[in-house]
Amino acid sequence: SQQGEEDPQALSIQEGENATMNCSYKTSINNLQWYRQNSGRGLVHLILIRSNEREKHSGRLRVTLDTSKKSSSLLITASRAADTASYFCATDSGGSNYKLTFGKGTLLTVNP
Amino acid sequence: DTAVSQTPKYLVTQMGNDKSIKCEQNLGHDTMYWYKQDSKKFLKIMFSYNNKELIINETVPNRFSPKSPDKAHLNLHINSLELGDSAVYFCASSQTGSTDTQYFGPGTRLTVL
Repeated sequence: SQQGEEDPQALSIQEGENATMNCSYKTSINNLQWYRQNSGRGLVHLILIRSNEREKHSGRLRVTLDTSKKSSSLLITASRAADTASYFCATDSGGSNYKLTFGKGTLLTVNP
Repeated sequence: DTAVSQTPKYLVTQMGNDKSIKCEQNLGHDTMYWYKQDSKKFLKIMFSYNNKELIINETVPNRFSPKSPDKAHLNLHINSLELGDSAVYFCASSQTGSTDTQYFGPGTRLTVL
């Protein structure tokens, strides 16, 4: 069953603006990851946040996690046209049969 | 060097045919996965293998049979293809079968006519 739900489904902004995407999930998680998918390509890992972490940074990316609300957000600052892609959150529940459950993704378009 | 590679990139075939997709990773990872991404971009895991051993089979029809000859390869064979099998199939790998970054291949777009 689907775990993550990204919001919004599509986001269009101008270069230089910040982009915020949200992810909500239903069951308890061990970790949450964000991936990017450029059109016609495979997914690329961006950042992982553990369930005991609240915020994490990597370059222009900032991820927050609120386990009480079962939600996460991905902020991309000073966006560039090259950031145009679909962004997916993925959760895992740990355990021996480890698997990632992906949301439906947010399509981000950054206009030059 | 390509970390996770898949062949072919595109596959167009008739209903009822049998086809295979190959995947290879040169990262030395222990775990490999197959995902299916539908037309709405929803990505769902199908199988995972750890050191050639099947770990996860997500209620995939038995027309789909993964085969792992060694831990660097995980191929996907599909029998009696149906229209609903049309999708993009992604192979991925990770260092171990636990919390690890997954590295994805470029995908194989399968179209069943």
